[in-house]
Amino acid sequence: DAMVIQNPRYQVTQFGKPVTLSCSQTLNHNVMYWYQQKSSQAPKLLFHYYDKDFNNEADTPDNFQSRRPNTSFCFLDIRSPGLGDAAMYLCATAGATNEKLFFGSGTQLSVL
Amino acid sequence: RKEVEQDPGPFNVPEGATVAFNCTYSNSASQSFFWYRQDCRKEPKLLMSVYSSGNEDGRFTAQLNRASQYISLLIRDSKLSDSATYLCVVNILGSARQLTFGSGTQLTVLP
Repeated sequence: DAMVIQNPRYQVTQFGKPVTLSCSQTLNHNVMYWYQQKSSQAPKLLFHYYDKDFNNEADTPDNFQSRRPNTSFCFLDIRSPGLGDAAMYLCATAGATNEKLFFGSGTQLSVL
Repeated sequence: RKEVEQDPGPFNVPEGATVAFNCTYSNSASQSFFWYRQDCRKEPKLLMSVYSSGNEDGRFTAQLNRASQYISLLIRDSKLSDSATYLCVVNILGSARQLTFGSGTQLTVLP
């Protein structure tokens, strides 16, 4: 059974139209992460939560926001998607050692 | 210099071959190391951790060389199902926030 679930699997949006990606987890992990991965590139950390404490990476654009209403759910909001935001968005959680990541299956975002 | 560097490949090998990938890292303070496997358009999955003494899991062997700051992954008796991208991941300070991913090495095993 999937432990980190991302919806939808594929998302198409229009240039400038806000979009929200969702992630849920059944592992009860404290830490949740959002990564952006473009083709043939390494996953890039956008931000992470430790419980409700939000940690933004310095180079994450303001266009990207996140919400974590409770332990199980985390959302990625892209306020005004540009063509350059087309990518795979990966949600992950970390266990007790905070080292090994459990990834969701990702959301492939296309921007038209 | 990138923090974690991998030969992007692609490596195209026949079934049954032995193939090795290297990964170099720039921060000598790095504490732990991992290999992840990522299939096309799927999420990365942990393949194995890399320990100082080296470790083996079936056909897969991982090695760490701290002096030269590289890790390696050896795959013996390659299977078609081994075709994937292999990501080298380095952890500097022991929290997942400090995980740094390489861009991956693409492997295709040919029949």
